[in-house]
Amino acid sequence: GENVEQHPSTLSVQEGDSAVIKCTYSDSASNYFPWYKQELGKRPQLIIDIRSNVGEKKDQRIAVTLNKTAKHFSLHITETQPEDSAVYFCAASSRNTGNQFYFGTGTSLTVIP
Amino acid sequence: DVKVTQSSRYLVKRTGEKVFLECVQDMDHENMFWYRQDPGLGLRLIYFSYDVKMKEKGDIPEGYSVSREKKERFSLILESASTNQTSMYLCASSLWKDGDDGYTFGSGTRLTVV
Repeated sequence: GENVEQHPSTLSVQEGDSAVIKCTYSDSASNYFPWYKQELGKRPQLIIDIRSNVGEKKDQRIAVTLNKTAKHFSLHITETQPEDSAVYFCAASSRNTGNQFYFGTGTSLTVIP
Repeated sequence: DVKVTQSSRYLVKRTGEKVFLECVQDMDHENMFWYRQDPGLGLRLIYFSYDVKMKEKGDIPEGYSVSREKKERFSLILESASTNQTSMYLCASSLWKDGDDGYTFGSGTRLTVV
């Protein structure tokens, strides 16, 4: 099955700096890559996703890049703010596994004011 | 907005008890999932279901079973709770099996087995 690795496990940045979280996957058939943000005590929420026919997607301060050849994808947060502090999870899925997601182990991001 | 509702936010149960965790979604989603979330291990899939009365094992099904008698409801059952099942349990749903859709998660049930 699919194996998703996520790095780093913890990340601290100064407010206003950028944060980058990286994930790799093993199954070349994976074609959908969502990112979830989980604030303390709350449910994970989808913040951005990318499909395999696209190399990059942006939504305001958040962007995701995908390199299918290298089987890795990354989340980029620019101009970080304290409210960006949360745990971020990447995931991968393919139609071969019927929309079943394989999650990374999470990155705890702390934005220092 | 799709809502996924988990019946309990916090539960404390004794070792050996049979435990039921309930999850209900209100947007006619076909797919429903149960995950457990543990520090350093991320989200691990226990069971999932693509249709009523249908279930498939995830990565860690041992000690658990599920029931999906109605499309909107997916129950996770701990047949005989053990302390190593103390965890946060998250239910999720998505629209259909062959689509690329993000999950909608419930708020989670933090289960403590004593």
